[in-house]
Amino acid sequence: EAQVTQNPRYLITVTGKKLTVTCSQNMNHEYMSWYRQDPGLGLRQIYYSMNVEVTDKGDVPEGYKVSRKEKRNFPLILESPSPNQTSLYFCASSRGHGTEAFFGQGTRLTVV
Amino acid sequence: LAKTTQPISMDSYEGQEVNITCSHNNIATNDYITWYQQFPSQGPRFIIQGYKTKVTNEVASLFIPADRKSSTLSLPRVSLSDTAVYYCLVGRQDTGRRALTFGSGTRLQVQP
Repeated sequence: EAQVTQNPRYLITVTGKKLTVTCSQNMNHEYMSWYRQDPGLGLRQIYYSMNVEVTDKGDVPEGYKVSRKEKRNFPLILESPSPNQTSLYFCASSRGHGTEAFFGQGTRLTVV
Repeated sequence: LAKTTQPISMDSYEGQEVNITCSHNNIATNDYITWYQQFPSQGPRFIIQGYKTKVTNEVASLFIPADRKSSTLSLPRVSLSDTAVYYCLVGRQDTGRRALTFGSGTRLQVQP
């Protein structure tokens, strides 16, 4: 089954404690991206990647890092999480920019 | 990326046809129009994509006039399960290194 898998689904952490949210896709897609969604602000893109070792900033990259060492994986790293990063996060993949995107189930992160 | 404008919310009743219009006055020649559906706490799901005239699939139809400055997503005979947020996106399909931007979407509420 074609899917994008994020882990964990829920995470509560404390300010400053580094964390990683994993994202994996099994569709051999070139394009992967991370979004955060906050009430009233819709979906905002954090980072995206066109291919292995190629990553670019989206609309709200501050406080986040990503890496694309393998085609299927695109982890999101918060080196020093802060409460304003409390949000619902989605990973997505697609064949290319603008083509049908497949989204993961979401990760609800709370930073206290 | 062309800016899109959609109604913030719409109400309908079960069994009715719902038409959601998206305005994209600055659409470029190579841009496609894509619609996604999102249920609460779930990732967006691709509904339909088109370039011009009319596209239909098992879920919806997409009407695009000749000037392509707007588009209309048509949902035939909606049910309660169609209550969701619908996003209109405009952009090229390519390998370009660009962010993908979701607007605020249209919140559709279907009543019994």
